[in-house]
Amino acid sequence: EAGVAQSPRYKIIEKRQSVAFWCNPISGHATLYWYQQILGQGPKLLIQFQNNGVVDDSQLPKDRFSAERLKGVDSTLKIQPAKLEDSAVYLCASSRPGAGNEKLFFGSGTQLSVL
Amino acid sequence: AQSVTQPDIHITVSEGASLELRCNYSYGATPYLFWYVQSPGQGLQLLLKYFSGDTLVQGIKGFEAEFKRSQSSFNLRKPSVHWSDAAEYFCAVVQDDTGGFKTIFGAGTRLFVKA
Repeated sequence: EAGVAQSPRYKIIEKRQSVAFWCNPISGHATLYWYQQILGQGPKLLIQFQNNGVVDDSQLPKDRFSAERLKGVDSTLKIQPAKLEDSAVYLCASSRPGAGNEKLFFGSGTQLSVL
Repeated sequence: AQSVTQPDIHITVSEGASLELRCNYSYGATPYLFWYVQSPGQGLQLLLKYFSGDTLVQGIKGFEAEFKRSQSSFNLRKPSVHWSDAAEYFCAVVQDDTGGFKTIFGAGTRLFVKA
C-alpha cells in the first residue's frame, strides 16, 4: 500500500511569514495526526482528526496554528505568523480506527526552519 | 495524564553486542505500549507493540520487548546489533482520552553502533 505522503520536504522561512504543509494519508485510514518534533525531543501531538472532525487539538497553539481536513482525506497544517521556536519537523501520521492499539503510519515529515 | 520516560538520551554499542533500551511509563490501567524507530530523515516505523497477553513481544528486525507491570517498564532488546540499527528509538504509550486514543511519545534514545 502507498504510504503517508507529505510535502514539502523542506521549508525555510523568515519569522512572521506564513507556511503551509500538506498531508495525504493512507487510503482508508480514518484517523489523521499532526505531530511536531523539535530537535532532540519526541513527537508532540498537535492535532488529531477522526474523518473530518477534530478529536484533540489541546496542544495546538491556536493563535498561530490552524489545520483542516477537508472531505476526511487530505489535510493541511498552517502556521501564521511563524516564530523562531516553530523550527521543527512536522510529521503527519494516519491509522485505521480501532481499539487504541492501532499502529501509526508516518510520513517522512516536513523540516521547517524559521530564521 | 500518562507519560513515558526514556532515561538514556544516547547509547553506543559495538556491532554484534547485545542491546537494551529502557522505557518507563505511568498509567493506571494496562497500557498499550509501542516501540518505534526513526532513521535519519525518515518518519517513524513501528517495531513492535504490546496490548495484552504474553508479556514478551517479538517485533521486526530481530527486536523484542518485555512488559513488566511491577516495574512499569517496557524495555527493548536485541541480542546482536547490526550497523544498520543505528537510529533513534521512541517508546510510546496510548492514552485513552475523551474523544479517542492519543499516542504519547518519550523523548527518544539515539543508538550509535561502532564497528
